[in-house]
Amino acid sequence: EAGVTQSPTHLIKTRGQQATLRCSPISGHTSVYWYQQALGLGLQFLLWYDEGEERNRGNFPPRFSGRQFPNYSSELNVNALELEDSALYLCASNTGLAGSAGELFFGEGSRLTVL
Amino acid sequence: AQSVTQPDIHITVSEGASLELRCNYSYGATPYLFWYVQSPGQGLQLLLKYFSGDTLVQGIKGFEAEFKRSQSSFNLRKPSVHWSDAAEYFCAVGTEYGNKLVFGAGTILRVKS
Repeated sequence: EAGVTQSPTHLIKTRGQQATLRCSPISGHTSVYWYQQALGLGLQFLLWYDEGEERNRGNFPPRFSGRQFPNYSSELNVNALELEDSALYLCASNTGLAGSAGELFFGEGSRLTVL
Repeated sequence: AQSVTQPDIHITVSEGASLELRCNYSYGATPYLFWYVQSPGQGLQLLLKYFSGDTLVQGIKGFEAEFKRSQSSFNLRKPSVHWSDAAEYFCAVGTEYGNKLVFGAGTILRVKS
């Protein structure tokens, strides 16, 4: 069974540009979560999508946005990039609202570097 | 709001020695508690979880954790550490539905031979 896959593995952008990160959940999983892992800041919850809807959002500015497609894959968009957006962005998936209760399956992440 | 504290940023143990990683949580209701491990360049892998019932839970790779409500703790233990256990370990607390897990800052485990 394929795990959570993320692309690209690495991405280098300059300040002010936009970045798009992609995530494919495990087959059968309907929920996708995005976390930011910045140096020294640990894992910070960004977004949770389930069945195509945004269910919850962390304490991040609106320039962090995303969506979930009908096949449950997801995109994370970061507009107007700032230096402090440099981080590892982790995507995770599970079976959704009921029953999965926090057992997240993580991808290996996308490393975003903003110069 | 939930929060998780992992007091130790780094821990170094000798191969074969026992290990205990500390985790304290803050949550008003019955917590859902997790330990995840992250090897260098990898995503996070679930080691074990506690939802209810027996307060001593067994996980993968020989790890176990004990939930102590009176101390708001969920410490991770392993009786004999292997060099391959070197990684970063994260404790996390979740709500009933588990969305928006709150993670601790992590503890980096180094294993010396």
